[in-house]
Amino acid sequence: RKEVEQDPGPFNVPEGATVAFNCTYSNSASQSFFWYRQDCRKEPKLLMSVYSSGNEDGRFTAQLNRASQYISLLIRDSKLSDSATYLCVVSIGGTYKYIFGTGTRLKVLA
Amino acid sequence: DADVTQTPRNRITKTGKRIMLECSQTKGHDRMYWYRQDPGLGLRLIYYSFDVKDINKGEISDGYSVSRQAQAKFSLSLESAIPNQTALYFCATSDTTPPAQYFGPGTRLTVL
Repeated sequence: RKEVEQDPGPFNVPEGATVAFNCTYSNSASQSFFWYRQDCRKEPKLLMSVYSSGNEDGRFTAQLNRASQYISLLIRDSKLSDSATYLCVVSIGGTYKYIFGTGTRLKVLA
Repeated sequence: DADVTQTPRNRITKTGKRIMLECSQTKGHDRMYWYRQDPGLGLRLIYYSFDVKDINKGEISDGYSVSRQAQAKFSLSLESAIPNQTALYFCATSDTTPPAQYFGPGTRLTVL
């Protein structure tokens, strides 16, 4: 079993749709959580950190459920420019270690 | 200017050649990392450094070495390149709190 698992997609959604991605992690020592966006053949870019109380940044909302060990990302009012791969990343407390999911691919269609 | 830069951006080389990839950052972070990314796989850690005197192996360090010349510079070397080292290489930095990582633009390396 992978330490961080994501549905690879692709998720094909029309412009204006709401789409949600989930990510599950297996290491109970996971301490910090992030969503990154990666465009094809480019570097991952931090989209948002994920806090226990949940957090929102514009059209993006992230949630963390420590008991069930999953993280979610909700994108409202999808734009064509949201098309990318979304990476779930977990850092292990007290270590150097970051575990990367393989990503969920999103295509927003006109 | 970009906070994390990598040179070269693309490189094609031959089996057996020694290659150096360079990374510089202006974010003032102490922690720096080298990753490789292959299609269908998540990023895998090659080496990491928490300060100039601290170098540590990651999960796939065989065939690679690093040098931390200064807080802002972290270089990755392939001593004798082989075709299965063909990949996209990323340098990253992080602060301690919050520990989010920031990536350079990547180096696309092809070993023939």
